[in-house]
Amino acid sequence: DVELVQSGGGLVQPGGSLTLSCAASEFTVNTNYMSWVRQAPGRGLELVSFTHSGGDTYFVDSVKGRFAVSRDKSQNTLFLQMNSLRPEDTALYFCARIRISTADTGVKWFDPWGQGTLVTVSS
Amino acid sequence: DIQLTQSPSFLSASVGDRVTITCRASQGINNYVAWYQQKPGKAPKLLIYAAATLQSGVPSRFSGSGSGTDFTLTISGLQPEDFATYFCQQVKTYPLTFGPGTKVDLK
Repeated sequence: DVELVQSGGGLVQPGGSLTLSCAASEFTVNTNYMSWVRQAPGRGLELVSFTHSGGDTYFVDSVKGRFAVSRDKSQNTLFLQMNSLRPEDTALYFCARIRISTADTGVKWFDPWGQGTLVTVSS
Repeated sequence: DIQLTQSPSFLSASVGDRVTITCRASQGINNYVAWYQQKPGKAPKLLIYAAATLQSGVPSRFSGSGSGTDFTLTISGLQPEDFATYFCQQVKTYPLTFGPGTKVDLK
């Protein structure tokens, strides 16, 4: 089955660092647009980042300069490196593949999604 | 950024009801909308993309419509497993923003 399995996350103090992993099955991370989406407790969904190995990269303003994305081709895994963490980064983090229609590149959708991993930033 | 609003925010319904959720964009976004279902503590699940295209494996009681700024998600014959929160997402312009969600619970 096409799926994403996440790992990492946990409790970290403000100013600390954490790396999230997102391992793909039945498709190649390196040839797809991939994203990270977060959901703060009781809140909605926020696109944190998307990336493509071809160079396209986006980070939401609130994490620019603090978060980075990388891929390991041999493990078929996407990573989110989070530095200088703040309490407001506390959220459930999801990875998701971004599909783009070949007929109309404006048509996109996020599928599949990882199961989510909780990041708590607190002293 | 393109802002999305959803109405209602909360909806109480019974099994078998027809439910309609509306998503409105702050500017025209063609048909570049996706809809997701999320249950507590779980990942969102894609239901519909391109405003009206049903994702493979999603029951046909789910349907979407709309273009421009106004979009709807309809569930025709609510089932017990459909009690969840529903989000729309605009995919026209980055950042690809999500609506605030509509929670559908049991009346």
